[in-house]
Amino acid sequence: AQSVAQPEDQVNVAEGNPLTVKCTYSVSGNPYLFWYVQYPNRGLQFLLKYITGDNLVKGSYGFEAEFNKSQTSFHLKKPSALVSDSALYFCAVRDLDRGSTLGRLYFGRGTQLTVWP
Amino acid sequence: NAGVTQTPKFQVLKTGQSMTLQCAQDMNHNSMYWYRQDPGMGLRLIYYSASEGTTDKGEVPNGYNVSRLNKREFSLRLESAAPSQTSVYFCASNRQGAGTEAFFGQGTRLTVV
Repeated sequence: AQSVAQPEDQVNVAEGNPLTVKCTYSVSGNPYLFWYVQYPNRGLQFLLKYITGDNLVKGSYGFEAEFNKSQTSFHLKKPSALVSDSALYFCAVRDLDRGSTLGRLYFGRGTQLTVWP
Repeated sequence: NAGVTQTPKFQVLKTGQSMTLQCAQDMNHNSMYWYRQDPGMGLRLIYYSASEGTTDKGEVPNGYNVSRLNKREFSLRLESAAPSQTSVYFCASNRQGAGTEAFFGQGTRLTVV
């Protein structure tokens, strides 16, 4: 079965500092990984994804993510945080098991990022 | 281009009442999902439809039924609402392909009293 874990419920950083939101995954085969952001009272918005290729993936709003196969991690990063980055961030993995669960998208529990001025 | 549209946005039900949450997408996507979001639990998959005419149970299907009415629409029904179903419900869709990202609706905040 495929799964992702977000080990931190909350991350607090000062504006202008780099930020990292952690995600680890467990999959059989090659992982298809995604990051989403959720602002208060809104739906989830796609940020970026890793399918194959470069381990550093660039996405929306200046975010990037580093895929590390040996550590089974896909951490979300940004070089300089903004107050407006404060939101709930979700890591997700696509189910690639052949069978009835093929194609499903599974999410982590989310990490609340707070960027203070 | 509206994307994924959910109705209603808010609903209060009494225990035992029934209701249907509606979802429609205008992106010609094959796959559609229903999730519920609860504090500290993240998003949990209720039902999944890989294509028109097919539906499969997700992680937490008990107490729910779904209908994939056509390619555009995927509805979620609560036959007899319970307080444990108080949650925020999200519908999502994506086109075919493992590497494709999902698009989400704005959510339905449901309270069962």
